[in-house]
Amino acid sequence: AQKITQTQPGMFVQEKEAVTLDCTYDTSDPSYGLFWYKQPSSGEMIFLIYQGSYDQQNATEGRYSLNFQKARKSANLVISASQLGDSAMYFCAMRSYRSGNTPLVFGKGTRLSVIA
Amino acid sequence: EPEVTQTPSHQVTQMGQEVILRCVPISNHLYFYWYRQILGQKVEFLVSFYNNEISEKSEIFDDQFSVERPDGSNFTLKIRSTKLEDSAMYFCASIGGEADTQYFGPGTRLTVL
Repeated sequence: AQKITQTQPGMFVQEKEAVTLDCTYDTSDPSYGLFWYKQPSSGEMIFLIYQGSYDQQNATEGRYSLNFQKARKSANLVISASQLGDSAMYFCAMRSYRSGNTPLVFGKGTRLSVIA
Repeated sequence: EPEVTQTPSHQVTQMGQEVILRCVPISNHLYFYWYRQILGQKVEFLVSFYNNEISEKSEIFDDQFSVERPDGSNFTLKIRSTKLEDSAMYFCASIGGEADTQYFGPGTRLTVL
């Protein structure tokens, strides 16, 4: 079974600063994908970034980067130059590629608040 | 940019009533999912659908739930007799693009009174 752990229920960051949101995962499958989603107060789930278990380099997408440490089973999200609009819930998720299109398993989320 | 759409955005119903939540996945996607998120909690998988049949379902997806693809575009989740604990945000997602990323719709907030 897969499990995602996000140990930070809430985080504060000053505008324009960088922030790291932690995510650790557990799986016995050799092939898997790691995802981060943003959920603003309006409720929608917005895909941010993806990292494959066999990817050699850390994923980056604009101001988002994923600090992937496979041996430690961690996939932390780094947001650089935080903006007020980054205030939201952030969910780490994973899915196994063992067969077919398996569903996403989510963590409990981290609420990020960006302070002006 | 194509997106997943869901209707209604908010549904209020009485306990015991049937509800149908509708989703239009991205047109060239083949795998579809329903998830739910009880207020303040994490997102939970309900069911996945491929080639006009259920491919996987969770323990939550009991006999009160059903899914259907009545035509080439819509994907529906039906709850036959709603319970108070069915109150949640329900998300539809479809897979496509790089890494089989699941793209989520905006959700339907279901309130059972």
